[in-house]
Amino acid sequence: QKEVEQNSGPLSVPEGAIASLNCTYSDRGSQSFFWYRQYSGKSPELIMSIYSNGDKEDGRFTAQLNKASQYVSLLIRDSQPSDSATYLCAVNPNRDDKIIFGKGTRLHILP
Amino acid sequence: GAGVSQTPSNKVTEKGKYVELRCDPISGHTALYWYRQSLGQGPEFLIYFQGTGAADDSGLPNDRFFAVRPEGSVSTLKIQRTERGDSAVYLCASSPVPGTVTYNEQFFGPGTRLTVL
Repeated sequence: QKEVEQNSGPLSVPEGAIASLNCTYSDRGSQSFFWYRQYSGKSPELIMSIYSNGDKEDGRFTAQLNKASQYVSLLIRDSQPSDSATYLCAVNPNRDDKIIFGKGTRLHILP
Repeated sequence: GAGVSQTPSNKVTEKGKYVELRCDPISGHTALYWYRQSLGQGPEFLIYFQGTGAADDSGLPNDRFFAVRPEGSVSTLKIQRTERGDSAVYLCASSPVPGTVTYNEQFFGPGTRLTVL
């Protein structure tokens, strides 16, 4: 069974601080990794994708991938109240296959 | 450009009825996916189309669920003899042509909230 594990939270972070979200996955052959943001009552929105080991930065967001440890993380710098949402980690075991989602981590940015 | 669209946005039906949910993917996207999301859970895969054919339907929970994509664009998810346990948000996503750098990035529509009474 291919699994993606996340801490459900809530994770509370003061405004302006760095929020760190973590995810582990079970399928060692996984090749593509994604972070989606989901506001309450809305659908998931793709915010980061990463395919190779290391860091990938996009604005205030940095995705980190460590395939040896089967670990993906998302860092949000200078956290804003608008970052309060559920963050879904998703893994694509094959490049043309379904995405396996974690249950999501609820992030709450404290004003 | 237009994103993925889904209709209806909300559907309330009675147990035992038949429902159809429609998805219109991003123009030019050849892959289309259906997911189902229950409260507090991540989206759960149902079925994946590459063009007109179902490439993977392993997530369909039983034979009451069926999906089609006859012309390789719009898709319809069909649920027969609905049960209360079918209540969830049904999400559709599409992704670009295989072979592009980012082709397996999936973009979601707004979803259809199905409530079975």
